Parts: sequence; structure tokens; C-alpha cells
Amino acid sequence: QVQLQESGPGLVKPSETLSLTCTVSGGSISSHYWSWIRQPPGKGLEWIGYIHYSESTTYNPSLKSRVTISMNTPKNQYSLRVTSVTAADTAVYYCARRDINSGLDYWGPGTLVTVSS
Amino acid sequence: EIVMTQSPDFQSVTPKEKVTITCRASQSIGSSLHWYQQKPGQSPKLLIKFASQSISGVPSRFSGSGSGTDFTLTINSLEAEDAATYYCHQSSSGWTFGQGTKVEIK
Repeated sequence: QVQLQESGPGLVKPSETLSLTCTVSGGSISSHYWSWIRQPPGKGLEWIGYIHYSESTTYNPSLKSRVTISMNTPKNQYSLRVTSVTAADTAVYYCARRDINSGLDYWGPGTLVTVSS
Repeated sequence: EIVMTQSPDFQSVTPKEKVTITCRASQSIGSSLHWYQQKPGQSPKLLIKFASQSISGVPSRFSGSGSGTDFTLTINSLEAEDAATYYCHQSSSGWTFGQGTKVEIK
């Protein structure tokens, strides 16, 4: 059974960089697409971006200038960096897997990141 | 960017009633449309893939239809445990989600 787990600081100061890691167990990240999705408190889902196992990336155009997703295959992890954060980046951040023949079939439990001084 | 618009935003439904949620894409996405259920405090759960394909373990009362720009999620004979917010998600060009439809049990 594939499991995903997000980890990283729960509090980030404005203008600083948000960094999160998703650790995948029960399966290899050397296949499928690996994504980040966020959900501001009380609001809907927003796609941030994804990385293919070939390490090609695709980002939401509205966030592209501030976002980097990278992969650490030996550790079976992938990461998210969002620079120059503001209060609008406060959200629950989810990592999720996409099988090319399916939708987003495995999700992490999510981690709340608050941007505040 | 492809915009996904769901309707309604909120629906209050009696148990055993049929629920229909629609999702409209701003341009054709073929069948690259997936549906999710999210309960409070939980991660979203995949219900339907590629507009109408069922997912193992998901109750058969959930079904999807549509192609191109117009899609529908149907819940036949709603149960109390179906109280949740439902999202559509397109994977045709970049990814976008609908704004969500909250289903409440009367």
C-alpha cells in the first residue's frame, strides 16, 4: 500500500521560503507523477505543480515564478519550495500521486503551513 | 488556464435522495476529468477517473458521465456518510479543480 507523508515547518515568516518534503513508502517514486496541492482554510483545492519520475516539472502558471519541485530518488522523497511567501500562502499542503491511467489516487494527510510573523 | 465551474455550490439532501453535481470546463478536455470526495479534516479521496470510470472500493451508488466540456457526478440513494465536499479535477492541460460542491444531509 502506497503511503505519502508531508513534513516541514508549520510556521513561516512573510517574505521567507516555505519548504516541504513528501516521503513516499510502499512504492517507488521512479514512476508516476508526484504533485503538490494546497487548500487555504475553509476554501477549495489549488494545484501547485507536479514532477514526473523523469524529473520534468509542470507548475501552476499563477505560482510558477515562486515554486520549485524537486525529487530525491534515493530517499524516495520529493520536495516543494515556495519563495517570498505572504499570508495568502497559508494553507494545508498535500502531496499526492497521479497514475497516468487514473486521477490522484494516493494522498498524504496534509500539513498546515501558516505564514505569520 | 482551463477554468472548471461546479454547480451547485451547496446542496442539502434527504437520505436516499439522488444527488447530481455538474462540472463545466471552459474548453474541451475530452474525458480528462476526475471526481473526489473530501470529508472535514481528511484528504480528498478519488471517486471517479476519466469522467465515468469507477474506482475499486468506491460504492456503486457513485457514477460519472460526460465528455468535452460538461460532466456530471451522480450519487444514487444518498447515505448519511456521503456528507462531504465534492471536487472535479481536469488533467487535460495543466491541472485545475472546480471550486467544490458541499453536500449536506437534511
